[in-house]
Amino acid sequence: EPEVTQTPSHQVTQMGQEVILRCVPISNHLYFYWYRQILGQKVEFLVSFYNNEISEKSEIFDDQFSVERPDGSNFTLKIRSTKLEDSAMYFCASSKTGGNTDTQYFGPGTRLTVL
Amino acid sequence: AQKVTQAQTEISVVEKEDVTLDCVYETRDTTYYLFWYKQPPSGELVFLIRRNSFDEQNEISGRYSWNFQKSTSSFNFTITASQVVDSAVYFCALSEAPPNNDMRFGAGTRLTVKP
Repeated sequence: EPEVTQTPSHQVTQMGQEVILRCVPISNHLYFYWYRQILGQKVEFLVSFYNNEISEKSEIFDDQFSVERPDGSNFTLKIRSTKLEDSAMYFCASSKTGGNTDTQYFGPGTRLTVL
Repeated sequence: AQKVTQAQTEISVVEKEDVTLDCVYETRDTTYYLFWYKQPPSGELVFLIRRNSFDEQNEISGRYSWNFQKSTSSFNFTITASQVVDSAVYFCALSEAPPNNDMRFGAGTRLTVKP
């Protein structure tokens, strides 16, 4: 069964460094999402992406975040200058059609640790 | 604004007991979608069910069943004859009609099933 994959599974970085988290959505899906989950807390929406542009973003998704679909398969989340509070599990998700009308399937997550 | 409340932060049961996880939601939209996801100790988010606001039929899938009641804005999840493998955090989530396509999660309920 097709699934969303994410790399790396765990990333450790120093505060102030840039990180790129990678996702490969399910191949025939058109909508892509990033969520984060701070340890022990609920999952929070960051951004949705469709047709090579951001369709919605939350208040968490500030100027230090960016997303990109650099080729036909990858979907990346870049954090420009990491802060301690960016430490979290980051989940990528994809859906065939708009998330409201279709199921979002999640990847296994990337655990980001900022030291 | 949409909101999901899972009032039970932790539930502990003994194997073979039935358990119900509560989910109450708030939305101003008439069209919306409700979801349940399971997050086992390994950390991934596993899709369980999606329900749209026009379909109030209860659903049963094996030992899992869902009770959607618009009158009380609830979408409760029952596991019958629980098993140790059911131990996980369960998240209820809500997404509204376009143009909003983010998904708002509840805080999750940690279910522990003891042998």
